[in-house]
Amino acid sequence: RKEVEQDPGPFNVPEGATVAFNCTYSNSASQSFFWYRQDCRKEPKLLMSVYSSGNEDGRFTAQLNRASQYISLLIRDSKLSDSATYLCVVIARGSTLGRLYFGRGTQLTVWP
Amino acid sequence: DGGITQSPKYLFRKEGQNVTLSCEQNLNHDAMYWYRQDPGQGLRLIYYSQIVNDFQKGDIAEGYSVSREKKESFPLTVTSAQKNPTAFYLCASSMSSGRTDTQYFGPGTRLTVL
Repeated sequence: RKEVEQDPGPFNVPEGATVAFNCTYSNSASQSFFWYRQDCRKEPKLLMSVYSSGNEDGRFTAQLNRASQYISLLIRDSKLSDSATYLCVVIARGSTLGRLYFGRGTQLTVWP
Repeated sequence: DGGITQSPKYLFRKEGQNVTLSCEQNLNHDAMYWYRQDPGQGLRLIYYSQIVNDFQKGDIAEGYSVSREKKESFPLTVTSAQKNPTAFYLCASSMSSGRTDTQYFGPGTRLTVL
């Protein structure tokens, strides 16, 4: 079983829509969670960390559900520039190394 | 500007040749990493280094080698023993190798074996 599972999509939504992605992780001892954004043929860039209490950054909201072992990303008022692949990333507790486990990514296309 | 640089951006190699991908960072980060990304798959860890003159194998180290002679540099050699080397290679660094330290990525090298 993969460490991190994501729905690959694609999600095709109109501008202004609200879209939500989920990601599940298999290691219940996982400690740190992130969402990265990757544009086509570019490197991943950190979008936001995910905290236990949930956190918001402008139009983006990330939430963590430890009981069900999933994290989510909500994008409100989608913009054309939000089109990208969103990667769910997990770091497992117990490792002294900050090794990141990546999901395959969820592809989002926002159309005008 | 502080950041991570990788070169070349595109690399073409004939079968049977070794090639070395460059990764340099001026962020004063201790830890550096190499990942490989294939279409439709998540990033997979090849090698990592927590400090100078030390490195460890990741999940898919076979056919690859690295060195860490300087803090700023972590080159990756793709050897002829790597059976399927065509991929997008990403180098990353973090302040330390701690569990919560954010990793920052270079722009990547796209390797194609002809």
